[in-house]
Amino acid sequence: NAGVTQTPKFQVLKTGQSMTLQCAQDMNHNSMYWYRQDPGMGLRLIYYSASEGTTDKGEVPNGYNVSRLNKREFSLRLESAAPSQTSVYFCAIRQGHTEAFFGQGTRLTVV
Amino acid sequence: GESVGLHLPTLSVQEGDNSIINCAYSNSASDYFIWYKQESGKGPQFIIDIRSNMDKRQGQRVTVLLNKTVKHLSLQIAATQPGDSAVYFCAEGNNNAGNMLTFGGGTRLMVKP
Repeated sequence: NAGVTQTPKFQVLKTGQSMTLQCAQDMNHNSMYWYRQDPGMGLRLIYYSASEGTTDKGEVPNGYNVSRLNKREFSLRLESAAPSQTSVYFCAIRQGHTEAFFGQGTRLTVV
Repeated sequence: GESVGLHLPTLSVQEGDNSIINCAYSNSASDYFIWYKQESGKGPQFIIDIRSNMDKRQGQRVTVLLNKTVKHLSLQIAATQPGDSAVYFCAEGNNNAGNMLTFGGGTRLMVKP
């Protein structure tokens, strides 16, 4: 989707490996979010950043860390990947209480 | 339209018919609600939103109805087209909850030509 870029699009990790998912926006929105979506399920919030310099836990933060590097970028880190973290990860942005714009997703498989 | 594990509720409609997708929400303090459409392999896309002080809002071919008494939200799609085939999610938000959006489990809409 225009405005929100996620990298990589696909990734396969071995159990115990670490990686960082990147999200960058060009819409100058204050709030950024990381969600995970498991097969046949809705989106669950991992972490969010209401504004530059702040981060807060969402519904399922365990096993993840985040960094709001600047207003444009919000990264999600898996320090020691587990098979239970196999999922599709979406980054989203919002300005206030308006609609959220989502990236195209990162498909992560942990074997 | 709540998730039942790996199997999404599915609504199958004939092209040209109207579709009604339902969502039960849990937080009576939610200030607004949003419907999203997710096509295969893509991120969710905004369809329409409604504030908690409203009970109906209309867009292009879509109408959202909100019944706060029973905490129920519905999305009506008029003259459903094959391009409407997707998974639809409702989300609720609270002005005092740090811009968090909580998503429901989703409903798969299949349009038969």
